[in-house]
Amino acid sequence: SQTIHQWPATLVQPVGSPLSLECTVEGTSNPNLYWYRQAAGRGLQLLFYSVGIGQISSEVPQNLSASRPQDRQFILSSKKLLLSDSGFYLCAWSARLAGGTDTQYFGPGTRLTVL
Amino acid sequence: DQQVKQNSPSLSVQEGRISILNCDYTNSMFDYFLWYKKYPAEGPTFLISISSIKDKNEDGRFTVFLNKSAKHLSLHIVPSQPGDSAVYFCAASGSVDYGQNFVFGPGTRLSVLP
Repeated sequence: SQTIHQWPATLVQPVGSPLSLECTVEGTSNPNLYWYRQAAGRGLQLLFYSVGIGQISSEVPQNLSASRPQDRQFILSSKKLLLSDSGFYLCAWSARLAGGTDTQYFGPGTRLTVL
Repeated sequence: DQQVKQNSPSLSVQEGRISILNCDYTNSMFDYFLWYKKYPAEGPTFLISISSIKDKNEDGRFTVFLNKSAKHLSLHIVPSQPGDSAVYFCAASGSVDYGQNFVFGPGTRLSVLP
């Protein structure tokens, strides 16, 4: 069965410090991978998605970047964090259900607080 | 501009009664819809989906209804249980424009009261 891991679970960082959040998927090959952010009291905002190694698409202009160095590894980074980067970050991968339709499966998330 | 809307930020229902969560969308190219449930400090979990060729899909206590002409879908939970208390996200996808990407609504917080 497929499993998605994210770490760390929680992170408190000062403004201006760098960020690296990691996501790995087990039990599947060549998944589509996604980074979402849920700000306090708001819905899920798609930040980045990747259809393969080295292929990253950004949905919104921002202070963050993403990389996919390996097939089942997705990394979210920042060189200098802003207060507005605080939120709950979710990694997801997509799978095809019976019937040819897709759904996304989410990791446990990382709670980031920038002070 | 929000393409997927969940106009009720919160909903309270008595245990055993029906919970109805609503979702509206604006993009007529969306042809596949999903509902996710999210507990605090956890990732969302997939609940149920429906494609635009259907108007109803049922899985146990959960039923999703789709009204394409109104661009509206709803999730019914019957009977509601305290463990159903969570935030519910509606999501939509259009295979032509979005590939495998999904647009999520802002969520509705459901509280099931014992």
